[in-house]
Amino acid sequence: GAVVSQHPSWVICKSGTSVKIECRSLDFQATTMFWYRQFPKQSLMLMATSNEGSKATYEQGVEKDKFLINHASLTLSTLTVTSAHPEDSSFYICSARDREYEQFFGPGTRLTVL
Amino acid sequence: GQNIDQPTEMTATEGAIVQINCTYQTSGFNGLFWYQQHAGEAPTFLSYNVLDGLEEKGRFSSFLSRSKGYSYLLLKELQMKDSASYLCAVMDSNYQLIWGAGTKLIIKP
Repeated sequence: GAVVSQHPSWVICKSGTSVKIECRSLDFQATTMFWYRQFPKQSLMLMATSNEGSKATYEQGVEKDKFLINHASLTLSTLTVTSAHPEDSSFYICSARDREYEQFFGPGTRLTVL
Repeated sequence: GQNIDQPTEMTATEGAIVQINCTYQTSGFNGLFWYQQHAGEAPTFLSYNVLDGLEEKGRFSSFLSRSKGYSYLLLKELQMKDSASYLCAVMDSNYQLIWGAGTKLIIKP
């Protein structure tokens, strides 16, 4: 199957700093990428959907000014958590959808905000 | 509204068979997915059903009935490594995945 990478795999940062997470589709062009957040022992929560070259669509309750998404190319989307706080600590997972509408998940990024 | 229901937790014995059910109500239907997720890892794809019937893939099988809004994932010859959460997801008319909360499967020796 297709491969999606995420970088970094884990990150620890101080409260108030910003963190950027990259999501890349390595062997296919992703028309759409999705960003999910998962708290311990809970299901995936869709944060936003991004299409290449256009603004991301955020789910209700997700602050677009806090979680900045850029989908600059068909193989790269970035999520920037601005002014991170301890409650933003979570497992962030991206997925990329190919032209056949199949979704492939990245390995996830574990964010810990101190 | 859109809704996916699956049991929160199930327990089974190593070597046995377990069936995880999923019922759904969504705006349109473009297929149903089952994913496996081990703790601390991203989900991995298990199966995709878009037509009614049973799809078999090794020890895992997935069944779909679109008229009943129902699917199940059947795991045979359970192994300890099958302990994980199993996520049911339906692709709606906008090709968006609607996720269930997941079923935590505990395998006992």
